[in-house]
Amino acid sequence: GENVEQHPSTLSVQEGDSAVIKCTYSDSASNYFPWYKQELGKGPQLIIDIRSNVGEKKDQRIAVTLNKTAKHFSLHITETQPEDSAVYFCAARDMRFGAGTRLTVKP
Amino acid sequence: DAGVIQSPRHEVTEMGQEVTLRCKPISGHDYLFWYRQTMMRGLELLIYFNNNVPIDDSGMPEDRFSAKMPNASFSTLKIQPSEPRDSAVYFCASSHSVYEQYFGPGTRLTVT
Repeated sequence: GENVEQHPSTLSVQEGDSAVIKCTYSDSASNYFPWYKQELGKGPQLIIDIRSNVGEKKDQRIAVTLNKTAKHFSLHITETQPEDSAVYFCAARDMRFGAGTRLTVKP
Repeated sequence: DAGVIQSPRHEVTEMGQEVTLRCKPISGHDYLFWYRQTMMRGLELLIYFNNNVPIDDSGMPEDRFSAKMPNASFSTLKIQPSEPRDSAVYFCASSHSVYEQYFGPGTRLTVT
């Protein structure tokens, strides 16, 4: 089955800085890579996703890049704000989720 | 739309008791997923349904766990008998496909 590894497990940045979270996957057949944001006491919320026929996708301050050759994809958040503080999860084929990254944005 | 609805939001029960978690998916969604989240194991897919039919239950931990979807607007996850190691947050999610899942608020289960 699919194995998804996510790094780092925790990330602390200053407000306004960028944050990057990386995930690697093992199954070359994977073709859909979503990113979810989970705030305390809530369920995960889809924030952006990318399909395997696209290398990069951007939505305002959030972007995701995909490298199918290397089997990794990354979430990029620019101009971070305190409300970006949450746990972020990547996922791949068969709804296998990464272990999560706790992002803290310091004002 | 009210989103995915789960009940109860919190459940505390004693070991050996039966627990039933409930989920109402978003209207029109064909897929329904049950997940379990713990600190140790993260977010795990337990089972998912397509048009009320179970498609993949390979994540169900053991025979004590069972899930049903009697109609398009209702699903249950049952644990019988419950054990302390079942303590976790259980999420239900729904979607039009296996992609773009919408998660409910979760049920926090504590088994003492």
